Amino acid sequence: GAVVSQHPSRVICKSGTSVKIECRSLDFQATTMFWYRQFPKQSLMLMATSNEGSKATYEQGVEKDKFLINHASLTLSTLTVTSAHPEDSSFYICSALEGNQPQHFGDGTRLSIL
Amino acid sequence: GDSVTQMEGPVTLSEEAFLTINCTYTATGYPSLFWYVQYPGEGLQLLLKATKADDKGSNKGFEATYRKETTSFHLEKGSVQVSDSAVYFCALSGRGGGADGLTFGKGTHLIIQP
Repeated sequence: GAVVSQHPSRVICKSGTSVKIECRSLDFQATTMFWYRQFPKQSLMLMATSNEGSKATYEQGVEKDKFLINHASLTLSTLTVTSAHPEDSSFYICSALEGNQPQHFGDGTRLSIL
Repeated sequence: GDSVTQMEGPVTLSEEAFLTINCTYTATGYPSLFWYVQYPGEGLQLLLKATKADDKGSNKGFEATYRKETTSFHLEKGSVQVSDSAVYFCALSGRGGGADGLTFGKGTHLIIQP
């Protein structure tokens, strides 16, 4: 079946560092990918919708300059957390849309900022 | 805006017990409804879905019926197994079919004891 690969699965870095997370659809073309954030014991919150070849659409309250999203091809979207600080520590999950099928999710990235 | 409320966990049951996980939603229009499951150490997987009122989604012995009158989509299984232990997320898509970002509940941790 369809698979979405997310990398890295875990990253620990110092405050002020920029961190890039990749989301790849392995066996299908995804015109739309989504990025979610999950705080402990909370639900997944949609951060942004990423469409191939165009600017991402961000949800209210999500800083565009903090969370840079690039969707340069039909199989790859990246989320870059710029100048990360401890409050950015969270679990980030991507999903990819294949035609009219429900979203396929990656395994998530645990980001810890020291 | 849209919201999903599901029962807090953890829910602990014995093997072969009957399972119900309640889910209610608030949305404008006619959303599609989903149940996702996250097994330990894995990403979210679609368990079942329903796209219109009175539809019943089913998979792996789990069922949920889209009840517009009560704005509910409760998950049920007649006889649970230890392998059903996981976190279950109820979600909705404001546009039909899940073509936009999903709104999730907080998740219910299910523990099945032998």
